Amino acid sequence: QVQLVQSGAEVKKPGASVKVSCKASGYTLTNYAFHWVRQAPGQGLEWMGWIDGGNGNTKYSQKFQGRVTITRDTSARTAYMELSSLRSEDTAVFYCARDSHSTGMAFDIWGQGTMVTVSS
Amino acid sequence: DIQLTQSPSFLSASVGDRVTITCRASQAISNYLAWYQQKPGKAPKFLIYDASTLQSGVPSRFSGSGSGTEFTLTISSLQPEDFATYYCQQLNSYPMFTFGGGTKVEIK
Repeated sequence: QVQLVQSGAEVKKPGASVKVSCKASGYTLTNYAFHWVRQAPGQGLEWMGWIDGGNGNTKYSQKFQGRVTITRDTSARTAYMELSSLRSEDTAVFYCARDSHSTGMAFDIWGQGTMVTVSS
Repeated sequence: DIQLTQSPSFLSASVGDRVTITCRASQAISNYLAWYQQKPGKAPKFLIYDASTLQSGVPSRFSGSGSGTEFTLTISSLQPEDFATYYCQQLNSYPMFTFGGGTKVEIK
């Protein structure tokens, strides 16, 4: 079964960093890319960045540039998103998703989401 | 960056109604558009790609159309399970795939 399973909820203090994982199963990781999407409470979906599962190339939204780092470990079949200098506005659910050539690069598989709460 | 504007942001409808949601792009994106459905507390569910191609398993009451800068998602006969928030996403500028602001469909 093709799925993405994310790590559990986190509570962090302002200024700290958080690292969220996204483990892939049921498909060849290096043939696909991962994207990360943020959703603040009651708000819409916000694209954060991308990593090519094969060569590890990355690209980030300007909004998060300098604060976000996306990596992957092919042997662990896992992608990671680290967000630093956390502030209260970063309280959100973070999703990983896979894009697919067979669906016009749309996000056909999503993780279940990871809630990150930033609070002093 | 390509901006997507959805309208309306909120709509109230009854079971059986025909519902249409519009997504406008700030520049032409050919047919590189996807639609997603999201229910509270859940990850988005992929519905449509290439503006009009239904993902496998998506009910045929959903349809998409458009190209260039204007796109629509239509639900021909709204069902109870369709009450959710819908998002469009542009797939033109890989990999920077921005989303529209969302349209919440609620029960009248």
